Amino acid sequence: DTEVTQTPKHLVMGMTNKKSLKCEQHMGHRAMYWYKQKAKKPPELMFVYSYEKLSINESVPSRFSPECPNSSLLNLHLHALQPEDSALYLCASSQVGGDWEAFFGQGTRLTVV
Amino acid sequence: AQSVSQHNHHVILSEAASLELGCNYSYGGTVNLFWYVQYPGQHLQLLLKYFSGDPLVKGIKGFEAEFIKSKFSFNLRKPSVQWSDTAEYFCAVRNAGNMLTFGGGTRLMVKP
Repeated sequence: DTEVTQTPKHLVMGMTNKKSLKCEQHMGHRAMYWYKQKAKKPPELMFVYSYEKLSINESVPSRFSPECPNSSLLNLHLHALQPEDSALYLCASSQVGGDWEAFFGQGTRLTVV
Repeated sequence: AQSVSQHNHHVILSEAASLELGCNYSYGGTVNLFWYVQYPGQHLQLLLKYFSGDPLVKGIKGFEAEFIKSKFSFNLRKPSVQWSDTAEYFCAVRNAGNMLTFGGGTRLMVKP
């Protein structure tokens, strides 16, 4: 199983809503990532978790709150987002250390209205 | 900080033409190098990767890339493109700190 599964595939939320994006993998990877991709732009790293601990936060606003409840799951909690936060949110996973490739999920397309 | 540059932002080719997309990176240490493809409306797919060894790596769908350490480059090539290769192509570099950084992307359009 080399899949990274993200839910939901599409999400529309108001600026006062609270929602969560979910990501799951069963490849035994101990590093998980959130990326944000705006239209016609490359993915931009938001957060990295290694061994369920947050290791990298790329100065992401606090209205985005990541959580890694166990080695297979990664959540991104959203609160008080702005329309400019509308984007494709990608989850990825990989091994930690050594040579590895990242496996990406299909993403959640988020629209903030 | 690590950076990845893709010099061609848009490329338009006719079918059967040869393709070469440039990628340069700035990190001086040991790196892993990747090319990803994103077809319209779809997710990122790995085309090929370089970890070590033979600097010429072959990927899926007839793509290959050459790692030239002295030039900090990892250019993507395909001898004969097809209409179905129309997509956005991203070069990515991973450093020892577990960070995967993407280049700005190259949008390829292949005319039938």
